[in-house]
Amino acid sequence: AQRVTQPEKLLSVFKGAPVELKCNYSYSGSPELFWYVQYSRQRLQLLLRHISRESIKGFTADLNKGETSFHLKKPFAQEEDSAMYYCALGTGNQFYFGTGTSLTVIP
Amino acid sequence: GAVVSQHPSRVICKSGTSVKIECRSLDFQATTMFWYRQFPKKSLMLMATSNEGSKATYEQGVEKDKFLINHASLTLSTLTVTSAHPEDSSFYICSASRAIKGYEQYFGPGTRLTVT
Repeated sequence: AQRVTQPEKLLSVFKGAPVELKCNYSYSGSPELFWYVQYSRQRLQLLLRHISRESIKGFTADLNKGETSFHLKKPFAQEEDSAMYYCALGTGNQFYFGTGTSLTVIP
Repeated sequence: GAVVSQHPSRVICKSGTSVKIECRSLDFQATTMFWYRQFPKKSLMLMATSNEGSKATYEQGVEKDKFLINHASLTLSTLTVTSAHPEDSSFYICSASRAIKGYEQYFGPGTRLTVT
């Protein structure tokens, strides 16, 4: 069963526009949720985790247990935000990645 | 901190041979290491999870006899692709976590395997 769903494979927004990358998860316990980012020719790196409730590079994500969502948002997209974004779920000793969303910010 | 290296970064091998890929956590002890396979323009596919000193847990559909994983120390895990075939050509990525629960993974740069 798909634990993490990212419905959009590709997402394009104009520079300065708001962006939202969707993520829904399936887990009955207390989830640990993360967003990872992979810039072109770079390794995957952690962008943010829901526990820390911090904003990284202007991105935020709120865990909505009622909707089982952890959407990633940024009010004003920048060109350097173009990358592959993966939502991930940690449960016990298992870890699940979504299929990823490729974000392109158009100048 | 939290740097993970992989070696080699690229390897080309002949069909039928075996290839070993190393994953090292350079500045921390990795209780758990993960091995992923990344297909072109596709997501990461988790292959297996390994905890130091115990057998790896393989994901459904991943042949454990073909993809041998050893996590002998808290800083080193190896993935051996045995009897490689062209369809095994892919980008293999490892990650490491300090916690048994595998939270917050630190990723290696990946290894490009090409089987001819």
